[in-house]
Amino acid sequence: DIQMTQSPSSLSASVGDRVTIACQASQDISKYLNWYQQKPGKAPKLLIHGASNLETGVPSRFSGSGSGTDFTFTISSLQPEDIATYFCQQYDDVPLTFGPGTKMDIK
Amino acid sequence: EVQLVQSGGGLVQPGGSLRLSCVASGFTFSIHRMHWVRQAPGEGLVWVSRIKSDGISTDYADFVKGRFTISRDNGKNTLYLQMNSLRAEDTAVYYCTRSSMDVWGQGTTVIVSS
Repeated sequence: DIQMTQSPSSLSASVGDRVTIACQASQDISKYLNWYQQKPGKAPKLLIHGASNLETGVPSRFSGSGSGTDFTFTISSLQPEDIATYFCQQYDDVPLTFGPGTKMDIK
Repeated sequence: EVQLVQSGGGLVQPGGSLRLSCVASGFTFSIHRMHWVRQAPGEGLVWVSRIKSDGISTDYADFVKGRFTISRDNGKNTLYLQMNSLRAEDTAVYYCTRSSMDVWGQGTTVIVSS
């Protein structure tokens, strides 16, 4: 199985800050990586697919990059509505696997 | 509107069974692979199972193999998860999602407890 790690596990930042989350796969997954936002009591929301492709309707302050084993998710200017937990997920092969999540809050 | 509407969760005793349903609308269900993903209370997301569009090819996480069965009825635009021999550790919110993982059901809670 492909293992996914994420760092940091939690992040506290101010409104307007640039924040970055790292995600690493245990083997080469090319660009088969999704990023999700999940708010309490809600289903995950897909933000980015294919490592760097923004879903329709997702604000452009969200971005993703990387390929192979190392990936990055960035919010260029943190907004109050971005408070959530963020997960990466590989879809190179089953079992699909998710990172453990990064819980983001506002300072 | 593209959506997945789930039903079928609830409280069940250890060793019991439940069947979850997920009804698709607003898109061509029959061409999509479908997945079940679960999330235990306070925990992360864990993939459970996948079924290909033909309904024949299926995959399962090791921890549900032999206990859970994924199936679909393309005529009814419905995905199912039959869960047998339930354990306390199966307690979670279960989500259905389509292959591109851009559309998710609202989630249904399964609690396994005596």
